[in-house]
Amino acid sequence: QVTLRDSGPALVKPTQTLTLTCTFSGFSLSTNGMYINWIRQAPGKALEWLALIGWDDTRYYNPSLKTRVTISKDTSNNQVVLTVTNMDPVDTGTYYCAWARESFSSFDIWGQGTLVTVSP
Amino acid sequence: QSLLTQPPSMSAAPGQRISISCSGRTSNIETNFVSWYQQFPGTAPRFLIYDDDKRPSDIPDRFSGSKSGTSATLDINLLQTEDEATYYCGTWDSTLRSVVFGGGTKLTVL
Repeated sequence: QVTLRDSGPALVKPTQTLTLTCTFSGFSLSTNGMYINWIRQAPGKALEWLALIGWDDTRYYNPSLKTRVTISKDTSNNQVVLTVTNMDPVDTGTYYCAWARESFSSFDIWGQGTLVTVSP
Repeated sequence: QSLLTQPPSMSAAPGQRISISCSGRTSNIETNFVSWYQQFPGTAPRFLIYDDDKRPSDIPDRFSGSKSGTSATLDINLLQTEDEATYYCGTWDSTLRSVVFGGGTKLTVL
């Protein structure tokens, strides 16, 4: 059974860097066709995709956030880390990690979400 | 503004059928598989449809997906009150090299 748990700070200040961790079980990110994505959702707004990392270290980023976002993986510890620099109040929202297999954009399993508020 | 266009809201009565549209471009919907997600307030999205028209094993067959050209559709038959949720379409965009989502459709079952 695949499970994902996303974690990180509930509150960050403007200009700070946000670091989120996705800890997963039930699969290995070194297995062919496995991907972990990060997606966020501002309060009352639509889903916004941020980044993905694959079993072969493939990485893609949302073009509008590419200069601020970095995704990395620790395969031995079953974790994926997302960092977002220079946080702003407009970055407030719920951040989800999600698992995809054999596809970049079919998210079978989602983490529970971490609500991040950006405020002084 | 989302790259995939969905109607912001729709409503229908229990027992009816509804079709939610998702309109995009050649670089996304026409050339890549579409997925659909269901989201209730305060919860993570749920995987409904993948590869345009396939259902995960735990999704009832009242839900179905289809695609034609640059548009995709989610159909829900025999609507139930528990289907009241927001529905999102998503796919890969080959030009942007990124995942794109629709703006979401809030479905009211009344």
